[in-house]
Amino acid sequence: DAKTTQPPSMDCAEGRAANLPCNHSTISGNEYVYWYRQIHSQGPQYIIHGLKNNETNEMASLIITEDRKSSTLILPHATLRDTAVYYCIVRGTGTASKLTFGTGTRLQVTL
Amino acid sequence: GAGVSQSPRYKVTKRGQDVALRCDPISGHVSLYWYRQALGQGPEFLTYFNYEAQQDKSGLPNDRFSAERPEGSISTLTIQRTEQRDSAMYRCASSLLADGGYSQETQYFGPGTRLLVL
Repeated sequence: DAKTTQPPSMDCAEGRAANLPCNHSTISGNEYVYWYRQIHSQGPQYIIHGLKNNETNEMASLIITEDRKSSTLILPHATLRDTAVYYCIVRGTGTASKLTFGTGTRLQVTL
Repeated sequence: GAGVSQSPRYKVTKRGQDVALRCDPISGHVSLYWYRQALGQGPEFLTYFNYEAQQDKSGLPNDRFSAERPEGSISTLTIQRTEQRDSAMYRCASSLLADGGYSQETQYFGPGTRLLVL
């Protein structure tokens, strides 16, 4: 699976959009971009994933650049409960089923 | 329905003892994964199963670690002759399918077992 690079930490004011970047310049054509987050000591929680089109669900939006070498996770209206470590993961489907977590971005949402 | 459950939630053991960690996946989930997470790090893959078959054990650190899933549901991760460096959070995850297309491969994680080896 391709390697990802994320900033170690970010701050965001409550109510504002949180934009979390991820670089994955070595991504191959059949690899998806997944985002998980981990709140405090809980287990990782799935957020969203995509291949090349932008995706949106009830939690977040995922914007993938046209060359697929980077992506941005957007939390449109961050709340204090969104404070967590956010992991960007690139993986193929099928045989490459494991998730390879990096160190992620620690997002701190403040009042 | 219920999520992934793990037991015990906390385990303190003495060096040299064997431990068995249990994972009960979401009902109907075919694939089951074990990860280990050190403090301040992301989870690290250990092994995974489809049904009862162990598909990939490349992440198991050495032969003291083993896992089984004999009936394709509950899984046990066993660490023999524990060492202090085995202290970590051990997390289990399950997914509906591993090879069924990306929408079915979302992994759902349990609360973890925190292992402390003294």
